Amino acid sequence: QVQLQESGPGLVKPSETLSLTCAVSGASISSYYWSWIRQPPGKGLEWIGNIYYIGTTNYNPSVQSRVTMSADTSKNQFSLKLRSVTAADTAVYYCARETAAGHIEYWGQGTLVTVSS
Amino acid sequence: EILMTQSPATLSVSPGERATLSCRASQSVATNLAWYQQKPGQAPRLLIFGKFARATGIPARFSGGGSETEFTLTISSLQSEDFAVYFCQQYNDWPWTFGQGTKVEIK
Repeated sequence: QVQLQESGPGLVKPSETLSLTCAVSGASISSYYWSWIRQPPGKGLEWIGNIYYIGTTNYNPSVQSRVTMSADTSKNQFSLKLRSVTAADTAVYYCARETAAGHIEYWGQGTLVTVSS
Repeated sequence: EILMTQSPATLSVSPGERATLSCRASQSVATNLAWYQQKPGQAPRLLIFGKFARATGIPARFSGGGSETEFTLTISSLQSEDFAVYFCQQYNDWPWTFGQGTKVEIK
């Protein structure tokens, strides 16, 4: 059973960096694509980007200038950093496992990150 | 970016009735289309991928279809556990994009 668990601060100040980690169990991150998706409260889903374990990334142009994803195979986890956040970045952030085709098979439970001073 | 438009925003259906949800892509996405179900406070769950293939454990009452730009998700006989929000997602062109969702509520 593949399980994903997000962790990180639930409150980030404007202009600072949002940092989240996703711990994976039941599967090795040394295969598949691993994604971050977010959902502002009461709204729809936005794909932030994905990472392949060797470091290949795809980022949504909407956040490309501010985002960095990385993977740590020794810890079987991957991470998201989003710089210069504003209130518009307030959302539930999900980590997920993406198939080679592009749809999501497994999701984390999600973690709410609020951007506020 | 491919725009995905879902309709209706809300669908009121009685238990046991059939529900048909629509999703339109702003350009062809071939068969690279998935549907997800999301209940309050939960992560989305994959229902359909490749336009019509059911994910593991998904009941046969869920079916997907359509063309390369117009897609449908049909729930043949709504059960109480099916009342939720449904999202479509294209994964034909990066960035992957989602529709804004259709809420299926009890009539």
